[in-house]
Amino acid sequence: GQNIDQPTEMTATEGAIVQINCTYQTSGFNGLFWYQQHAGEAPTFLSYNVLDGLEEKGRFSSFLSRSKGYSYLLLKELQMKDSASYLCAVMDSNYQLIWGAGTKLIIKP
Amino acid sequence: TAGITQAPTSQILAAGRSMTLRCTQDMRHNAMYWYRQDLGLGLRLIHYSNTAGTTGKGEVPDGYSVSRANTDDFPLTLASAVPSQTSVYFCATSPEAEGKGYTFGSGTRLTVV
Repeated sequence: GQNIDQPTEMTATEGAIVQINCTYQTSGFNGLFWYQQHAGEAPTFLSYNVLDGLEEKGRFSSFLSRSKGYSYLLLKELQMKDSASYLCAVMDSNYQLIWGAGTKLIIKP
Repeated sequence: TAGITQAPTSQILAAGRSMTLRCTQDMRHNAMYWYRQDLGLGLRLIHYSNTAGTTGKGEVPDGYSVSRANTDDFPLTLASAVPSQTSVYFCATSPEAEGKGYTFGSGTRLTVV
């Protein structure tokens, strides 16, 4: 079967750095996505990785290792507004997105 | 403002009743999707449409039907609602089926009692 694993919840301090991991087992691979979802709102697109390596976008970076079936989302200089759930999703060989259950990130002052 | 409009925002529905959740986009995206999101589970695909006139079944299609008469509209119908269909429903679009990055509507919170 297809599976996306990510931690259920993480806590970090304002101004610090946090890394959210995602491991996946899917039938084929056509890219990995990270989305942010604030409570009661829709998911919004953060990043897309299809090749191995690090993609940096401001305070957020996303890393991919296809051979290890592994990705992480790195958030720097954490702000209170970063409190949200972060969803990892993989596009499989049929171009369908398979979603993880999400990681709830709690930022403390 | 361009985007996706979902209606209603929330609804309480008696079991056994039918209901249509509406989704309209003005971005002229070809691909559209219906997901449900339940606590502790990832988003699960109900139905999708790669282009107007075509639809396909996702991971959890039972109890739901869709149509795609034109590019902009992708309604989701529950023919006879059951309590297990209590969920938050999101409509999403992508410029193409193999697109990078979906845009989501604001969601419909449905409670079946």
